[in-house]
Amino acid sequence: QSALTQPASVSGSPGQAISISCTGTSSDIGGTNYVSWYQQHPGKGPKLLIFDVIHRPSGVSNRFSGSKSGNTASLTISGLQPDDEADYYCNSYTTTSTLYVFGTGTTVTVL
Amino acid sequence: QVQLVQSGAEVKKPGSSVKVSCRTFGDTFNNFIITWVRQAPGQGLEWMGRIIFMQNIINYAQKFQGGVTITADRSSSSAYIELHSLKSEDTAVYYCAREVHSNSWKDWGQGTLVSVS
Repeated sequence: QSALTQPASVSGSPGQAISISCTGTSSDIGGTNYVSWYQQHPGKGPKLLIFDVIHRPSGVSNRFSGSKSGNTASLTISGLQPDDEADYYCNSYTTTSTLYVFGTGTTVTVL
Repeated sequence: QVQLVQSGAEVKKPGSSVKVSCRTFGDTFNNFIITWVRQAPGQGLEWMGRIIFMQNIINYAQKFQGGVTITADRSSSSAYIELHSLKSEDTAVYYCAREVHSNSWKDWGQGTLVSVS
C-alpha cells in the first residue's frame, strides 16, 4: 500500500485561502468516506482537523474544510493565519490488509 | 477528557527489542481502539497497526507484520507495541492514538522516541 500523494509544499499570504490535495486510488480514497486530515506543528503530535471527509471535531476552527472527488481529497484552509504554518497529512481507510494509509505530507508556509 | 501517556525515550542496540506503553486515563478502556503510528526523523506519518480492545482484534500494516506485536492490558488501561529485531531504520517517534470519530484519531499520546544505534 503506497502513501497517498500530497504536494510537498503550499504557501499563501495571511487572509488567503489555500487547498491541499491528497490523491489515492479506488482502493483507498475513491472507495471510502473515511478520509481524515491532521495538522502537525514542529516537535508536536498530530491534531485531527477533519474526519469522514467533511466533518470537523468540536473545537476545530471552521476555517478548515474538507472535500472529496473521485480518488482525490482536499483540505481547504480559509483566512490563512500565521499559526496555520505546519505540516498537514491526509489519511484514508483502505480495502487492503494495511487498513489505513497516510499521505506524504504537505508543509504550509504563511508568507 | 481522555489522556494518553506514553513511556519514555529508549536507546537500543540493533537486533534488540523494545516495548513502548500507552496508558489511558479518563474513559472506559474496554471501549478503546488504539492505533500506533510512527514518524522517522524528518519524515511523514506511517500507520503501523491497531487493537480493538473489546473484541481483541489486532490489525497490522503489511509492512510491519511479524516485526511488531501490539497488545493491551485492561488492569492497567494500557496498550503496548513491541518492536523486534531493531534496525537503525526503526529510529523514530512512536505515537499511540485513540479512535474517537470513526476511522480517525482525535486523542494522541505525546510520542516516544526510540533510537537504534
